[in-house]
Amino acid sequence: QVQLVQSGAEVKKPGASVKVSCETSGYTFTAYYIHWVRQAPGQGPEWMGRINPESGGGNLAQKFQGRVTMTRDTSIRTAYMELSSVTSDDTAVYYCARSLLGSYSLDYLDSWGQGTLVTVSS
Amino acid sequence: EIVMTQSPATLSVSPGDRATLSCRASQSVSRYLAWYQQRPGQAPRLLIFGASTRATNTPARFSGGGSGTEFTLTISSLQSEDFAVYYCQQYGDWPRTFGGGTRVEIK
Repeated sequence: QVQLVQSGAEVKKPGASVKVSCETSGYTFTAYYIHWVRQAPGQGPEWMGRINPESGGGNLAQKFQGRVTMTRDTSIRTAYMELSSVTSDDTAVYYCARSLLGSYSLDYLDSWGQGTLVTVSS
Repeated sequence: EIVMTQSPATLSVSPGDRATLSCRASQSVSRYLAWYQQRPGQAPRLLIFGASTRATNTPARFSGGGSGTEFTLTISSLQSEDFAVYYCQQYGDWPRTFGGGTRVEIK
């Protein structure tokens, strides 16, 4: 079955970087975008960006440009999201999710990882 | 960016009753609208895509409607497992955006 398994919780000091991984199985890795979505405590989800595992290209919300790097390793079917210069406002659960490569009409998130809690505290 | 506004913020419903949730987009997203359910401590789960198409394993009591800027999610007869938070999300424009959610609670 389709699985997206994320790395464990992280605690970071302000100004540091954090890297979250998303290991996938049960489907063709290069046939689906990997999206990154975060959810601050008590808030709705916030879309950060997506990466095309086939090409390595992606789309980022303007808010995160310059601070977020999305990468992938096709040999181990894993995507990564690195967030730099973190502040307390970045404390959230970070999710990876997938959508089928193709047109706009397919860009809904049909499977999600379990989430990774990132806590930023001095 | 497109702002998604959900109403009401909280809906108190008795088991077996019908619930109707609303989602409004600040500009047209055509039918590029998805609904997700999130239970406490869990990741969101896709319920509806394309405004009205049920995802695999979504029970038939869930139905979606609307287009353009006005959308609804209806749960025809609430079951105990349906008490959760529901989010709409548009995927017709960049960046993709989510609504603030509607919490469906037991009356």
